[in-house]
Amino acid sequence: QITLKESGPTLVKPTQTLTLTCTFSGFSLSTSGVGVGWIRQPPGKALEWLALIYWNDDKRYSPSLKSRLTITKDTSKNQVVLSMTNMDPVDTATYYCAHSLTIFGVVMDAFDIWGQGTMVTVSS
Amino acid sequence: SYELTQPPSVSVSPGQTARITCSADALPKQFGYWYQQKPGQAPVLLIYKDTERPSGIPERFSGSSSGTTVTLTISGVQAEDEADYYCQSADSSGTYVLFGGGTKLTVL
Repeated sequence: QITLKESGPTLVKPTQTLTLTCTFSGFSLSTSGVGVGWIRQPPGKALEWLALIYWNDDKRYSPSLKSRLTITKDTSKNQVVLSMTNMDPVDTATYYCAHSLTIFGVVMDAFDIWGQGTMVTVSS
Repeated sequence: SYELTQPPSVSVSPGQTARITCSADALPKQFGYWYQQKPGQAPVLLIYKDTERPSGIPERFSGSSSGTTVTLTISGVQAEDEADYYCQSADSSGTYVLFGGGTKLTVL
């Protein structure tokens, strides 16, 4: 059974760096065809994809946020970490991590299992 | 910038059929995916690769694709289907992921 859980601060100040950790079980990021992504959702608004990291350390970022994002993995700890610099109140959102859908060993650009999400508020 | 376009809202009576569309230029090259999100919950994958349904998803949910549009069809809508629905795909080169703006389904 695959599970993911996000953790990190619930409140950050403007200009600070946000660091979120996704701790997962039921799969390994060292297995071919596996990926983990981050998606966020401001209150009352739509989902927004942020970043993806694959088993081979290939990394993808949202073009609009690329300069502020860093995604890394720690295979031994079954964790994926997302850092976002220069936080602003508009970054207030629920942040989700999710497992990439894999079909017959081929990773798809979609997410089949999601964490519960963690709410992050940016305020001074 | 590249976008996936969905109607903001769709309303339907119980037992009727709801159709939610999602349009984008790259959809003929990239697969479309659909998620259901209920208030306070994480999204749930409903449809993948345009038309496939994950195990555990009721048969009343189906997907189709034609040209630059993918469509989620909910047959025999039930009250419990009231939720936000998001389409998702990738850009034409498959470099990055995109979500549509979401459609709120109201069951009258």
